[in-house]
Amino acid sequence: GESVGLHLPTLSVQEGDNSIINCAYSNSASDYFIWYKQESGKGPQFIIDIRSNMDKRQGQRVTVLLNKTVKHLSLQIAATQPGDSAVYFCAEIPFTGNQFYFGTGTSLTVIP
Amino acid sequence: KAGVTQTPRYLIKTRGQQVTLSCSPISGHRSVSWYQQTPGQGLQFLFEYFSETQRNKGNFPGRFSGRQFSNSRSEMNVSTLELGDSALYLCASSWTGASTGELFFGEGSRLTVL
Repeated sequence: GESVGLHLPTLSVQEGDNSIINCAYSNSASDYFIWYKQESGKGPQFIIDIRSNMDKRQGQRVTVLLNKTVKHLSLQIAATQPGDSAVYFCAEIPFTGNQFYFGTGTSLTVIP
Repeated sequence: KAGVTQTPRYLIKTRGQQVTLSCSPISGHRSVSWYQQTPGQGLQFLFEYFSETQRNKGNFPGRFSGRQFSNSRSEMNVSTLELGDSALYLCASSWTGASTGELFFGEGSRLTVL
């Protein structure tokens, strides 16, 4: 089956620093990757996505990097703010599938 | 426009009972997926419906079932509840399915089984 793992279950950063959240996936036949943010008591919210034909994509304060050689995905958050405190999930979809496989999540805490 | 709406938000049941959860997708979205979220297992895919047909199914027992109506609203049912069914059940909608775009999640229905 699919296996999407996150390197660290928790991450604490100082406000204003950059955050990096990592994710490893096992299925090399994956086409689409998404990072979601889930705040306490809410459903996951889309942050940024990337297709397998790309290795980098930037959004507002966030960058996703995809390394297909080592099957690794990362989310970089610039100038982390207290509002960024949440659980972050990576998710992948294989070429042949129509469902997301989610990692177990990394809890990010921003220290003021 | 309105987001994905799930009802009820919270519910408590006892073992052996059954439960029905409801999901109203974003207007125009035809695909509805259901996920179970627990602290230990993360988000686990239950099933996906598209145009009233179940298109994909995860590895859950037959006690978990669902359906989709002609207006794309979806329900999921869990029969003969077990303690381990306590979880946050999330519904997500998209235009045509996960592979063609992001999923929009509701805030979930938190089920506690006593």
